Amino acid sequence: KAGVTQTPRYLIKTRGQQVTLSCSPISGHRSVSWYQQTPGQGLQFLFEYFSETQRNKGNFPGRFSGRQFSNSRSEMNVSTLELGDSALYLCASSLKRGSGYEQYFGPGTRLTVT
Amino acid sequence: TQLLEQSPQFLSIQEGENLTVYCNSSSVFSSLQWYRQEPGEGPVLLVTVVTGGEVKKLKRLTFQFGDARKDSSLHITAAQPGDTGLYLCAGEDYSNDMRFGAGTRLTVKP
Repeated sequence: KAGVTQTPRYLIKTRGQQVTLSCSPISGHRSVSWYQQTPGQGLQFLFEYFSETQRNKGNFPGRFSGRQFSNSRSEMNVSTLELGDSALYLCASSLKRGSGYEQYFGPGTRLTVT
Repeated sequence: TQLLEQSPQFLSIQEGENLTVYCNSSSVFSSLQWYRQEPGEGPVLLVTVVTGGEVKKLKRLTFQFGDARKDSSLHITAAQPGDTGLYLCAGEDYSNDMRFGAGTRLTVKP
C-alpha cells in the first residue's frame, strides 16, 4: 500500500507570495491533518479535514487555509507569505477519528521564504 | 507552553547503553503515540498505547502508558546508531485532537 505523498518536497518563495501544498493520503484514509514543524516550536497543528469537512483548526492566522477533495486528497494554501512561515509542512492521514486512531505522515514539504 | 512535556530534550549516548525518555502532562489522554523522525522526513509511528498501565514492546523498545493516562515512557535497551532520531510523543485528548510534545533528540554514537 502506498504511503502518504506530499508535493512538492521543496519550495522557495519570496515574501508576499502565496503557496499551495498538496497531500495524497493512504488509500482508504478519510482524515487528513496538516502540521507545521519548526526547530523552535516543534510540531504545531494547523487543521484537520475529514470527509471534505474541516473538523478542527489550530491557532494560526487566516492566511493559512486548506481544503479536502472527494478523493480525500488535500491542499493547504498560505497567502501573503512571511519569513516566519519557513518550515517543514507535514501532512498525516488516518483511517478514522476516535480512540487510538493512528496517523501516518508524509515526508513533508520544506518551504523556505526569502 | 507545551501540553506534553518531553524530557530530556537532548540525549547523546554510546552504542550499547540503555536509556529512557519521558512524556508528561497534566491532562488525561484517551491514547498516546510515539513516533521517530529522521532529518528531512516525516515522523514514523512506532506504537499506540490505549489502556492505563499498558506496556508494549517493540524489539529493544519498551513503551509504557501511565496508570492515570497522563504520562508515558520509552525505554531503549542496548541502543544502536540506527536508533538516532527525534522521538515524539503525541496524546489524543477526548475531543480526538492530537497534541505533540517538542521531542527528545537522541544521538547514539558508535
